[in-house]
Amino acid sequence: TQLLEQSPQFLSIQEGENLTVYCNSSSVFSSLQWYRQEPGEGPVLLVTVVTGGEVKKLKRLTFQFGDARKDSSLHITAAQPGDTGLYLCAGHSNSGYALNFGKGTSLLVTP
Amino acid sequence: GAGVSQSPSNKVTEKGKDVELRCDPISGHTALYWYRQSLGQGLEFLIYFQGNSAPDKSGLPSDRFSAERTGGSVSTLTIQRTQQEDSAVYLCASSLTLGQGNIQYFGAGTRLSVL
Repeated sequence: TQLLEQSPQFLSIQEGENLTVYCNSSSVFSSLQWYRQEPGEGPVLLVTVVTGGEVKKLKRLTFQFGDARKDSSLHITAAQPGDTGLYLCAGHSNSGYALNFGKGTSLLVTP
Repeated sequence: GAGVSQSPSNKVTEKGKDVELRCDPISGHTALYWYRQSLGQGLEFLIYFQGNSAPDKSGLPSDRFSAERTGGSVSTLTIQRTQQEDSAVYLCASSLTLGQGNIQYFGAGTRLSVL
């Protein structure tokens, strides 16, 4: 199993602050995905990064894929309470089409 | 419906009982996946189906777990002789077809509590 380690596990910040969440592995992934999950809901795909060194922006969210395709980061600028949720990174296993997920970063943004 | 639908949303059962969890995928999606989300373990793959092909059962934790997909649409995950460690949120996802470029859309899950 290709393991994905996420850090930090928990993050509590105030509105307006910046933050970065990390997703690391010792394995190479063809692509990595970032999801956000709110309480009582399933994960929702935010972005897929495919090319080593790739940077993608989604409004105040910036996603980066490491050059070696073993790690990724999510940076949020000027966090809002609406950003609160569980952020998950995931990659496909070598042998099939199931997703391997990290354990997630639980983000709380207070007004 | 427009999204993946799972039922029931919550299920409380006694240890040793059997439970069935249902998933209705997005219409037209040929691939269907089951995952389990528990505290401390995160999201774990259980099984996936693609059309009429044999399912990939490599993630099922024990032979007490089984799943069926009838008519290429609705799927049922069955847990026999439930144990307390089976308590978790069971998530279903579907995608247009099988392939790493296909987006998996998740349902809201069934929260299973085994007393």
